[in-house]
Amino acid sequence: GAGVSQSPRYKVAKRGQDVALRCDPISGHVSLFWYQQALGQGPEFLTYFQNEAQLDKSGLPSDRFFAERPEGSVSTLKIQRTQQEDSAVYLCASSDPLWRGLTDTQYFGPGTRLTVL
Amino acid sequence: GQQLNQSPQSMFIQEGEDVSMNCTSSSIFNTWLWYKQEPGEGPVLLIALYKAGELTSNGRLTAQFGITRKDSFLNISASIPSDVGIYFCAALNRDDKIIFGKGTRLHILP
Repeated sequence: GAGVSQSPRYKVAKRGQDVALRCDPISGHVSLFWYQQALGQGPEFLTYFQNEAQLDKSGLPSDRFFAERPEGSVSTLKIQRTQQEDSAVYLCASSDPLWRGLTDTQYFGPGTRLTVL
Repeated sequence: GQQLNQSPQSMFIQEGEDVSMNCTSSSIFNTWLWYKQEPGEGPVLLIALYKAGELTSNGRLTAQFGITRKDSFLNISASIPSDVGIYFCAALNRDDKIIFGKGTRLHILP
């Protein structure tokens, strides 16, 4: 596809369940970002990959959150033992490898809306 | 921490009216960004500003990078129904991460 895709689009989990959220970036994009967007708020940075290397995970709220991008393309955000406060939209973005740094135009996917009951 | 204060939180306007929204911070930034988000979608970059005092247009949208580097403004002229959505200001912080404001929700009255 032409854009960033994410799956599932909606996920309902019972508290304590583990969830895995998938992001397919734009083909060839080196940089990949995950954001968390709570209801009524702007997105907040979680983590950043350059190819398969996770260069920054300072935004991950707890050690229950884990992200990987083993082959430098598709990425998975995993949340273990979900809590109600994890309910949010999780956005993935990728950026053009020809631009330098993190000022690249980031192309966002539609997000996965996670609801933890 | 660094925060962006975006106002107004929401706007109700008539089609054809001009719209103004702004974003302020106590911190200095070297890059300001404006995004639009529609329901069920991710944010889409509208305008990027890289220089203090810069005024940049994208169709009916015009954004300015404040001279103090602590604020930015977005104007939309002659609003149309498809302008409905949430507009986010954003800035690159000292760690080169994008931080977002809380958004301005634009509603257009029939």
